[in-house]
Amino acid sequence: GQNIDQPTEMTATEGAIVQINCTYQTSGFNGLFWYQQHAGEAPTFLSYNVLDGLEEKGRFSSFLSRSKGYSYLLLKELQMKDSASYLCAVSNSNYQLIWGAGTKLIIKP
Amino acid sequence: DSGVTQTPKHLITATGQRVTLRCSPRSGDLSVYWYQQSLDQGLQFLIQYYNGEERAKGNILERFSAQQFPDLHSELNLSSLELGDSALYFCASSVFPGVADTQYFGPGTRLTVL
Repeated sequence: GQNIDQPTEMTATEGAIVQINCTYQTSGFNGLFWYQQHAGEAPTFLSYNVLDGLEEKGRFSSFLSRSKGYSYLLLKELQMKDSASYLCAVSNSNYQLIWGAGTKLIIKP
Repeated sequence: DSGVTQTPKHLITATGQRVTLRCSPRSGDLSVYWYQQSLDQGLQFLIQYYNGEERAKGNILERFSAQQFPDLHSELNLSSLELGDSALYFCASSVFPGVADTQYFGPGTRLTVL
């Protein structure tokens, strides 16, 4: 089968750094996506990785290791508005997105 | 604003009824996806259309159907509604199913079945 695993919930402090992990097993790999979703709103695209390594985009960075079937999303200088769910999704050999259940990030002052 | 539009924003109906949700993709996007998200649950992929043709099917119930029209807008039809169908329904669009093809989501339709 195909599956994506991410922690259900994480808590962090405003101003700190948090790393959200995602491991995957899919039939083929054509890239990994991270989305942010605030409660009751649509998911919004954050990042895409297809090659190994770190991609940095402002306060957010995403890392990929294809050999380990592993990715993480790193959020720096956390702000209260970063409280949201973070969804990991992998594009498989048919370019179908396999979605994780999401990680709910709670930011405390 | 992703450029994907969905109507209506909210829909309240009764069990046993039928509703139609509408989605207009971003300009230039050929592929449309439908997702269901129940309260505090993950995204459940329902169905994908590409340039008017069904391309992939997920966990879509037989009571649900969809289509994509020549102008590329899409409709999701939900019939014989049950209480458990209450959820947020998202439409997403992308240019072309392929590498680095990013899906952009509409604001969703919140369906409440009473």
